[in-house]
Amino acid sequence: DAKTTQPTSMDCAEGRAANLPCNHSTISGNEYVYWYRQIHSQGPQYIIHGLKNNETNEMASLIITEDRKSSTLILPHATLRDTAVYYCIIITSGTYKYIFGTGTRLKVLA
Amino acid sequence: DAGVIQSPRHEVTEMGQEVTLRCKPISGHNSLFWYRQTMMRGLELLIYFNNNVPIDDSGMPEDRFSAKMPNASFSTLKIQPSEPRDSAVYFCASSGTGAGYEQYFGPGTRLTVT
Repeated sequence: DAKTTQPTSMDCAEGRAANLPCNHSTISGNEYVYWYRQIHSQGPQYIIHGLKNNETNEMASLIITEDRKSSTLILPHATLRDTAVYYCIIITSGTYKYIFGTGTRLKVLA
Repeated sequence: DAGVIQSPRHEVTEMGQEVTLRCKPISGHNSLFWYRQTMMRGLELLIYFNNNVPIDDSGMPEDRFSAKMPNASFSTLKIQPSEPRDSAVYFCASSGTGAGYEQYFGPGTRLTVT
């Protein structure tokens, strides 16, 4: 699976959009970009995933660059409850092995 | 839907004792995963079951660890004998049809071995 690079930490003001970047320059054509988050002391929570098109759901939007070498998770209106560690994971279609890196620790500030 | 259920939520035991962690996956899910999370190593996949059959146990650290899935609604992770370095949070996750689908995690079991 392709490796990912994420910033260690980020701050975001409450009510503003949080943009979390992820680099995955070695991604292959059949590999998906998945995003999870882990709020303190809880299990990881699925957020969104995509292959090459941008995706949106009730939690977030995922923007994948045309060359697929990077992506951005967007939380449109961050709240204090969005404070968590966010993981960007690359998954080969049909496989199960998630490799969780260190993720980005997002702190939403009041 | 109750989500993935794990028990106990916290376990404190002495070195050398047997520890059994339990997991009930989401109904209808046919894949089950056990993970371990520590500060030093982050989240690691220990073992993966599909349709109650262990598919990949390459992440199981050593023979002291064993996992079973006797039916679609129950799995156990056993450590015998336990050691202080086994102290971690153990998560169970399940997912739907086949592999590669999003995984839903339980709340975890925090294990402390003294």
